[in-house]
Amino acid sequence: SQQGEEDPQALSIQEGENATMNCSYKTSINNLQWYRQNSGRGLVHLILIRSNEREKHSGRLRVTLDTSKKSSSLLITASRAADTASYFCATDANTGGFKTIFGAGTRLFVKA
Amino acid sequence: EAQVTQNPRYLITVTGKKLTVTCSQNMNHEYMSWYRQDPGLGLRQIYYSMNVEVTDKGDVPEGYKVSRKEKRNFPLILESPSPNQTSLYFCASSSLLADSTDTQYFGPGTRLTVL
Repeated sequence: SQQGEEDPQALSIQEGENATMNCSYKTSINNLQWYRQNSGRGLVHLILIRSNEREKHSGRLRVTLDTSKKSSSLLITASRAADTASYFCATDANTGGFKTIFGAGTRLFVKA
Repeated sequence: EAQVTQNPRYLITVTGKKLTVTCSQNMNHEYMSWYRQDPGLGLRQIYYSMNVEVTDKGDVPEGYKVSRKEKRNFPLILESPSPNQTSLYFCASSSLLADSTDTQYFGPGTRLTVL
């Protein structure tokens, strides 16, 4: 079963604009992670945010987490053509085990 | 260099012919996991392991086996592959925190085609 659901499925913006992607999940979590994937290649970890954190920054990336709404957002500021990729959220579901559940991803296209 | 390696990177096989995809990590991570990625479905977890000799099912374990005899290796075994197992497979590893996994490091992927 898919827990993380990204929104939108696809996003096309101009270079320099900000890109916002959202992720919703169903069960309580220990942490939520965002990953990036360039067309069929391996995933690269971007940010991990723990369930007791509300916001985290890393360079041009800003992640928020709202556990009451079971949702997270990833903001990429001043986007570049090189940011073109698919972005996935993944939850470490707090179900007694250590399952990781990924969403279907958001495809971001940044036009130069 | 810290890394997760997978072999082979590409594999074309026929229905029913047993195969193994190897995964190895050099970061001394306790946690290892296998995922498959299909178009429009994101990554789905097949099996994971929290330590040597400890494995558990993910969301889509049917048709797969794993073993964790050594900490660094976590092979994925398809005893009798079928065409619906054609997919892109990723291995990942991470350290374990008190109540969760930490950042997962992914291998480069294995593209499997079953004819």
